[in-house]
Amino acid sequence: QSVLTQPPSVSGAPGQRVTISCTGSSSNIGAGYDVHWYQQLPGTAPKVFIYGNSNRPSGVPDRFSGSKSGTSASLAITGLQPEDEADYYCQSYDSSLSAVVFGGGTKLTVL
Amino acid sequence: QVQLQQWGAGLLKPSETLSLTCAVHGGSFSDYYWTWIRQPPGKGLEWIGEINHGGGTSYNPSLKSRVTISVDTSKNQFSLKLSSVTAADTAVYYCARGETGLHGSPLWYFHHWGQGTLVTVSS
Repeated sequence: QSVLTQPPSVSGAPGQRVTISCTGSSSNIGAGYDVHWYQQLPGTAPKVFIYGNSNRPSGVPDRFSGSKSGTSASLAITGLQPEDEADYYCQSYDSSLSAVVFGGGTKLTVL
Repeated sequence: QVQLQQWGAGLLKPSETLSLTCAVHGGSFSDYYWTWIRQPPGKGLEWIGEINHGGGTSYNPSLKSRVTISVDTSKNQFSLKLSSVTAADTAVYYCARGETGLHGSPLWYFHHWGQGTLVTVSS
């Protein structure tokens, strides 16, 4: 059971907008720790797509955006494209555990 | 350009010790936190622990009794040892660079990753 909770799967048609939620608690997201999002393609290492709640690294399309409120965060993808099909993980820090924590991951399917 | 290259034994028997090493090429070695993360087949990511260039460590409480992370600053390398492995430790193990902010404070995210090493524990 992951400390951060994500839906196991989401899907959308090309061109649509999808969001992936990440729910934490008062010892991680709610405590003010930043949320980061990773994209993982099959057989490859995760790649950071959003860091510091809403910042995009160079090279990540601006179709990807992140937000955080209270004990939750969200990753939004607009103008869905086939190459966006991947697993997405949220990640933060937990002060009660004194550990980095991940969500269980969400599989995005582009219909 | 920062590159992390990792290696180590890929097949272990139960009760043996897992040993992996990660070499860092490019960028500063002293300004970051050096991290190990694992992913069991078909499952999510789990943070194992980290070390800074000065040797200060932090470990996942669930693995702390079996984990040792060490650093060799002369070679820009860091290593993971996990003792008394069982089948539950079968996973792809990644090394990664933990980013830092002002005055070297950890930002708790990972921009650069190694290629991953599949470690299988089987009798």
